[in-house]
Amino acid sequence: AQSVTQLDSHVSVSEGTPVLLRCNYSSSYSPSLFWYVQHPNKGLQLLLKYTSAATLVKGINGFEAEFKKSETSFHLTKPSAHMSDAAEYFCVVSFSSGSARQLTFGSGTQLTVLP
Amino acid sequence: GAGVSQSPSNKVTEKGKDVELRCDPISGHTALYWYRQSLGQGLEFLIYFQGNSAPDKSGLPSDRFSAERTGGSVSTLTIQRTQQEDSAVYLCASSPRSFGVWTEAFFGQGTRLTVV
Repeated sequence: AQSVTQLDSHVSVSEGTPVLLRCNYSSSYSPSLFWYVQHPNKGLQLLLKYTSAATLVKGINGFEAEFKKSETSFHLTKPSAHMSDAAEYFCVVSFSSGSARQLTFGSGTQLTVLP
Repeated sequence: GAGVSQSPSNKVTEKGKDVELRCDPISGHTALYWYRQSLGQGLEFLIYFQGNSAPDKSGLPSDRFSAERTGGSVSTLTIQRTQQEDSAVYLCASSPRSFGVWTEAFFGQGTRLTVV
């Protein structure tokens, strides 16, 4: 079985300060991991993905995430928050197997960016 | 189109009526997913189609919910005898392959269903 835990339901940062959104996963198989962002009344957009090629993954809009197998973590970071980063962020785990249910979503982290 | 298209974008229906939600996946994507997102909640898996394989219906919350995918492309999610608790945003996603490690899902904008 696989699961994803997003440790913070809400994160609030000031503009220009670093962002850290935490995600821990469990998976019986070698996982693929994704971060999606959802702006208000918008669809889900892929930020970045880990597919075992490199543990540090760079995504769009200056976001990056590091896969740490020993800690079963895939935390999302950004050095300097921008007002436009305010949104909900979802950590997602997928694995390669015959099981039909491939994508497991975390419960989401709402990021607020203060001026 | 270039992305996953869902229609309608908004649907208001009376309790007890049936509704159909449509999803046009990205051309060539063999995997198609339906999720439900209730207000303030995460994404709830509903159903998954992969090519010609039997769909995984294990996420459907009741027998009032059904879905089909015709010709391996367009999918329709049907909710019969709608209830107020069915009010949510229904999201469709497609993926170029399901059994590869590098699978990511591309999401549509969703259909916001309101049952009054």
